Amino acid sequence: DQQVKQNSPSLSVQEGRISILNCDYTNSMFDYFLWYKKYPAEGPTFLISISSIKDKNEDGRFTVFLNKSAKHLSLHIVPSQPGDSAVYFCAARSNDYKLSFGAGTTVTVRA
Amino acid sequence: DTGVSQDPRHKITKRGQNVTFRCDPISEHNRLYWYRQTLGQGPEFLTYFQNEAQLEKSRLLSDRFSAERPKGSFSTLEIQRTEQGDSAMYLCASSVGTGQETQYFGPGTRLLVL
Repeated sequence: DQQVKQNSPSLSVQEGRISILNCDYTNSMFDYFLWYKKYPAEGPTFLISISSIKDKNEDGRFTVFLNKSAKHLSLHIVPSQPGDSAVYFCAARSNDYKLSFGAGTTVTVRA
Repeated sequence: DTGVSQDPRHKITKRGQNVTFRCDPISEHNRLYWYRQTLGQGPEFLTYFQNEAQLEKSRLLSDRFSAERPKGSFSTLEIQRTEQGDSAMYLCASSVGTGQETQYFGPGTRLLVL
């Protein structure tokens, strides 16, 4: 049962433009959401997180939006840079501490 | 400030052999997690520890898998009688252990079972 879904397997964006990554979840018990970035042959690197009591969190070029009623969150990267090319994973946590991950979205930033 | 480390980074073994992976969490992190990632998928939870206590095991963790965290520091994940389906990236993560803390991942161990 896939509780976290990233329906876009890939995204291509021009350097300097906005990247928008989407994530949907089904478990209403999730209370904490995270985005990770992963390069090939490396472990996931934490990017940004948001608690279920908030609807927005911003950190530099990265902003995460949470819409609890729609069970949807998104990650905005502005402006996109070539170093942002990677696989991005959405993850969600309920009170049992383990993370449930989406399948990932591969972002390619074109020069 | 060192991050989570894992050893080895790569392991090739023959079907039926036993393998053991090690994870060293970030110092003073009480929780330690093991995940498995296969191609095209996100990481899947296997098990986690609060200090030395193993608190939850996924149904993905068959009887051939065992994990330990003696003394609440490093952890080992052993796979006995490996099968080709065990080929995956095995990821370790750690967190402080208070509230909505973030899990920080190590570089992973890539296992290939021939």
